[in-house]
Amino acid sequence: GESVGLHLPTLSVQEGDNSIINCAYSNSASDYFIWYKQESGKGPQFIIDIRSNMDKRQGQRVTVLLNKTVKHLSLQIAATQPGDSAVYFCAENIPPLKTSYDKVIFGPGTSLSVIP
Amino acid sequence: NAGVMQNPRHLVRRRGQEARLRCSPMKGHSHVYWYRQLPEEGLKFMVYLQKENIIDESGMPKERFSAEFPKEGPSILRIQQVVRGDSAAYFCASSLDQVRDNSPLHFGNGTRLTVT
Repeated sequence: GESVGLHLPTLSVQEGDNSIINCAYSNSASDYFIWYKQESGKGPQFIIDIRSNMDKRQGQRVTVLLNKTVKHLSLQIAATQPGDSAVYFCAENIPPLKTSYDKVIFGPGTSLSVIP
Repeated sequence: NAGVMQNPRHLVRRRGQEARLRCSPMKGHSHVYWYRQLPEEGLKFMVYLQKENIIDESGMPKERFSAEFPKEGPSILRIQQVVRGDSAAYFCASSLDQVRDNSPLHFGNGTRLTVT
């Protein structure tokens, strides 16, 4: 469903370690997923996306894994750097059932803090 | 290629006044979305527009809020008779095509509305 008002879960990692940020999505019909990074005072920034017919996609230092069986998405960041400190959101695209348009729903977000 | 431009960045209004938030999508993008974000929370969908048409306004309060995306000029989110509960960051996003066609949302840096 819609993102609800929740205090952000937080993740603290040591600089240089790998980070794994998890997301449970809501709709089994969702066909496209996107990870965003939001730094303080800024808008969400696109990181990586994946379609539902894939289970893994890699980018530069980031990997997204999709498990449709349990409706779970994860973002792995290799060799985490201080500049990775931000809030990370997953988003799912819900295709139309009765309408002609999609709907993009955001998860509640995870705050990543990198310890130098 | 300029990104999504929102103005003003900060807007202060007294209770009862009107707030007008502007959004210029990325060049060539004809899909515009408005989201609202409270501190330490996720993004909540408000409205989805294409040129001259409101496609989905299911997330927007029926009273006091309106949105438009005219043939020429920016998209406008208008809040009449603002109340303290309207204080939030309002983000605009645009996409080239429908999201299902691997066309992610690109966000502006938001307008932070404070109602005093």
